[in-house]
Amino acid sequence: KAGVTQTPRYLIKTRGQQVTLSCSPISGHRSVSWYQQTPGQGLQFLFEYFSETQRNKGNFPGRFSGRQFSNSRSEMNVSTLELGDSALYLCASSFTGLGDTIYFGEGSWLTVV
Amino acid sequence: AQRVTQPEKLLSVFKGAPVELKCNYSYSGSPELFWYVQYSRQRLQLLLRHISRESIKGFTADLNKGETSFHLKKPFAQEEDSAMYYCALNAGGTSYGKLTFGQGTILTVHP
Repeated sequence: KAGVTQTPRYLIKTRGQQVTLSCSPISGHRSVSWYQQTPGQGLQFLFEYFSETQRNKGNFPGRFSGRQFSNSRSEMNVSTLELGDSALYLCASSFTGLGDTIYFGEGSWLTVV
Repeated sequence: AQRVTQPEKLLSVFKGAPVELKCNYSYSGSPELFWYVQYSRQRLQLLLRHISRESIKGFTADLNKGETSFHLKKPFAQEEDSAMYYCALNAGGTSYGKLTFGQGTILTVHP
């Protein structure tokens, strides 16, 4: 069974640009969550989608957005990139997003220069 | 709001010694607690969750609601246990897909 897959794995962007990251959840999983991981703040929850609807959102500015498609794939977008957005962005999936095991992808490393 | 605290950033033990990774949480409701592990160059993966009460790779963790703790223990550490360990909490209710993580503990098991 394939795990959570994220693309691209590494990318470098310039301040002010925007970026889109993709995630394919485990087959059958309908809940997809996104996390930001940095050395200073650790792992922080961005948002969660289920059946194309955002059900939960963390404390991030509106520059961070996401969406989910009918096949449960998800994308997250960061607009007007700032240096502080440099981080590992993790996608995670589960069947329901509530109480069941959450599986993580390997992440997308974003560097903003 | 919920909070997870892992007081030790680094923990070093020798092979065969017991190991305990501490985790304390603050949340007024009934949370679900998890331990995730990240081995070098691998993705974050679930080690165990309190609701299943399993022992995985010799690790156990007991939820102590009185002390709001969920410490991870192993009686005899192995070199392959060296990794980053994260304690995490899901608050239930409408906390869809949200895990609140501690800062993590790097465990090093020396030969």
